[in-house]
Amino acid sequence: DIQMTQSPASLSASLGETISIECRASEDIYSNLAWYQQKSGKSPQLLIYAANRLQDGVPSRFSGSGSGTQYSLKISGMQPEDEGDYFCLQGSKFPWTFGGGTKLELK
Amino acid sequence: QVKLLQSGAALVKPGASVKMSCKASGYTFTDYWVSWVKQSHGKSLEWIGEIYPNSGATNFNEKFKGKATLTVDKSTSTAYMELSRLTSEDSAIYYCTRSLWDRFDYWGQGVMVTVSS
Repeated sequence: DIQMTQSPASLSASLGETISIECRASEDIYSNLAWYQQKSGKSPQLLIYAANRLQDGVPSRFSGSGSGTQYSLKISGMQPEDEGDYFCLQGSKFPWTFGGGTKLELK
Repeated sequence: QVKLLQSGAALVKPGASVKMSCKASGYTFTDYWVSWVKQSHGKSLEWIGEIYPNSGATNFNEKFKGKATLTVDKSTSTAYMELSRLTSEDSAIYYCTRSLWDRFDYWGQGVMVTVSS
């Protein structure tokens, strides 16, 4: 199985701060990488797919980048509504696997 | 709009089975795979498997073969997952999702399964 190593496990950011979350795959996943946000008690919501494509309706302060085995999610200007857990997902090879998650809090 | 409406929470005894449902609306049910995802301890996510409603074809995570059975009812646009021989390790939230080539774009609200005597 492809292992997805996500970092950091937790992060505290100030209002307006730019933050990044990383996911490293154990092998090349050819940009088949998606990012999700999960707020407390809710289902995950798709933010980014194909490494850098913004899902419809997602604010433009969210962006994704990367290739091969290294990927990142950037939030340009932390907002209160951005608090939550963030996960990456590799959709390159079965079984699809997730990163361990990053808990993002407002400082 | 696309919606996936899942059945309610379940409290089941060890060794028993549980069957949950996922009713799709807002899109052509038979055109998209439906995946099931387990979320344990409030955080870690695991892909269980997927089913293609048009044909009933399935793909599974090896870890969940023998544990999960996936079926669909095309007449009601509903997908089902049955989990068998439940243990405390199966206590989790289970989501159904609409699957695209490389991602899950819509998720149900989740079903909390608690295994306890």
